[in-house]
Amino acid sequence: DTAVSQTPKYLVTQMGNDKSIKCEQNLGHDTMYWYKQDSKKFLKIMFSYNNKELIINETVPNRFSPKSPDKAHLNLHINSLELGDSAVYFCASSQYQGSNYGYTFGSGTRLTVV
Amino acid sequence: AQSVTQLDSQVPVFEEAPVELRCNYSSSVSVYLFWYVQYPNQGLQLLLKYLSGSTLVKGINGFEAEFNKSQTSFHLRKPSVHISDTAEYFCAVTTTSGTYKYIFGTGTRLKVLA
Repeated sequence: DTAVSQTPKYLVTQMGNDKSIKCEQNLGHDTMYWYKQDSKKFLKIMFSYNNKELIINETVPNRFSPKSPDKAHLNLHINSLELGDSAVYFCASSQYQGSNYGYTFGSGTRLTVV
Repeated sequence: AQSVTQLDSQVPVFEEAPVELRCNYSSSVSVYLFWYVQYPNQGLQLLLKYLSGSTLVKGINGFEAEFNKSQTSFHLRKPSVHISDTAEYFCAVTTTSGTYKYIFGTGTRLKVLA
């Protein structure tokens, strides 16, 4: 059973399109995250939700909008895609905000904008 | 604010040799420290963590790390590496209170040579 699953795994799309990435966790965790990993492997947090409430919203263009319909799901919608959005996007979860058990990561969604 | 520095972007080492991957952090408040491993085309997996207590922490796959408060370091070590240890390794820090935001280092690529 996959603990944190993301779909799709690969996404190739043209500039200007709108796309969504879905994330689901079956661990019963309260907190979920979106991270962006660039071509140099640098990981930067984008958003964090705790029990459906947005708690971290980094300096991210407002073309990116997270949505958490319930605490097991955190989706990422991206409008008007740009070349610079090409990256690997990781979803992660933790037991609760500030959990010292660490994060469980999904396997990533590789987004390529052409 | 917290920061993490991984001093080596790449570390080549021969199979069965020992390895140390260096991590230094900066923080004005108490922190938790973590090491994660990322195998090609996969998400990050937790290797080990330091929360409190004994400064020598043992993790999975034979890895260990030592927390050194005076040097603000959390170096990762393995006495004998295998080809299968080839991966990207990330050090991360989070505060023990407040926003609990994870800050990741820029990663160290460990390449184990036959």
